[in-house]
Amino acid sequence: DPKIIQKPKYLVAVTGSEKILICEQYLGHNAMYWYRQSAKKPLEFMFSYSYQKLMDNQTASSRFQPQSSKKNHLDLQITALKPDDSATYFCASSQDAENTGQLYFGEGSKLTVL
Amino acid sequence: QQQVRQSPQSLTVWEGETAILNCSYEDSTFNYFPWYQQFPGEGPALLISIRSVSDKKEDGRFTIFFNKREKKLSLHITDSQPGDSATYFCAASPGTQVVGQLTFGRGTRLQVYA
Repeated sequence: DPKIIQKPKYLVAVTGSEKILICEQYLGHNAMYWYRQSAKKPLEFMFSYSYQKLMDNQTASSRFQPQSSKKNHLDLQITALKPDDSATYFCASSQDAENTGQLYFGEGSKLTVL
Repeated sequence: QQQVRQSPQSLTVWEGETAILNCSYEDSTFNYFPWYQQFPGEGPALLISIRSVSDKKEDGRFTIFFNKREKKLSLHITDSQPGDSATYFCAASPGTQVVGQLTFGRGTRLQVYA
């Protein structure tokens, strides 16, 4: 059974609209992350959260806003969608934000912006 | 500028052969190098990792060779199996950053024919 659940698995949006990507992890981890994988770029780190607090943000655009309502949740809200936002977004987690353990990835949410 | 480079982009081997996947990096502060395996429709999964204090790490049929002076590493998959067909990502991070903030290469797509 998947330990990191991402919803939806596929979604299509129109330019200018807003979408929320859902992520829940059942590994008991304290740190969660978002990564993006597109055809043009390698897998890219976006955000890191530890104990529901933002640790680092490598996303230049404020259109991307992570939201952590619970310790094991880290959703990603994307506003004013652009075709360039088309990518697969991966949620990941690790036991802690310190330099221990491994990174676990979800199965991804593939976003297509028309 | 691409911080982590992988070659070849794609690789085809026959069952039983050894597949060699290469990786190089730019940043001298990188000291943790995980390799991730990704099957279509799934998220990346940690395969094996090495820290810069070691020059070799072995786990079953998978071995990482690391050359710190040349900033190069390679993943050797011996006795390749059709089930090894996947995309392999080399990643890196410096010890000063959280474990989840990895810089990924573009990947090597491995095809193993029976």
